[in-house]
Amino acid sequence: KAGVTQTPRYLIKTRGQQVTLSCSPISGHRSVSWYQQTPGQGLQFLFEYFSETQRNKGNFPGRFSGRQFSNSRSEMNVSTLELGDSALYLCASSLTGYEQFFGPGTRLTVL
Amino acid sequence: QQQVKQSPQSLIVQKGGISIINCAYENTAFDYFPWYQQFPGKGPALLIAIRPDVSEKKEGRFTISFNKSAKQFSLHIMDSQPGDSATYFCAARGRETSGSRLTFGEGTQLTVNP
Repeated sequence: KAGVTQTPRYLIKTRGQQVTLSCSPISGHRSVSWYQQTPGQGLQFLFEYFSETQRNKGNFPGRFSGRQFSNSRSEMNVSTLELGDSALYLCASSLTGYEQFFGPGTRLTVL
Repeated sequence: QQQVKQSPQSLIVQKGGISIINCAYENTAFDYFPWYQQFPGKGPALLIAIRPDVSEKKEGRFTISFNKSAKQFSLHIMDSQPGDSATYFCAARGRETSGSRLTFGEGTQLTVNP
């Protein structure tokens, strides 16, 4: 079974721009969660989608948003990028709500 | 506030030794405690997990010990190998949420010397 895939793997953007990241979950998994990983803050939960609905939301500003499609694929969007948004963005999918399987991440650099 | 505290921040072990990483939590509503292993440039990989109704779980060289009364849990890596050198994260899932939200510890960078 294919794992979680994320595209693109690397992105370089400038301040003020917006970015869209994509995640394809493991086949059959309907829950998709997004996390931000930085050296200073570690792994922090952004939000979770289940059956096209946001089920949980972390403590991030409204510039961070996401959506899920009927095939469970998910996208997250960050608008008005700031330098502090530079991070590894990880997507995880889950079948049961317990075991979560992560993708390789998208490395976002904001200049 | 839901927090998970992890220690040590870094750990150096000789090949064949035992690596021990500890985590402590505050929220008694956590109901699932996984450990993840992350190599540079990769996403975290689920290593082993435990529920609070069990005090110990073993899978191969990896063991989780869980102390519900002390609100602590730990990962033991027996016969540590250089290939185990990675960053390890403990995490916890809140029972009060219907979803998959995990709260992570700060991470432990493990180095196993040959």
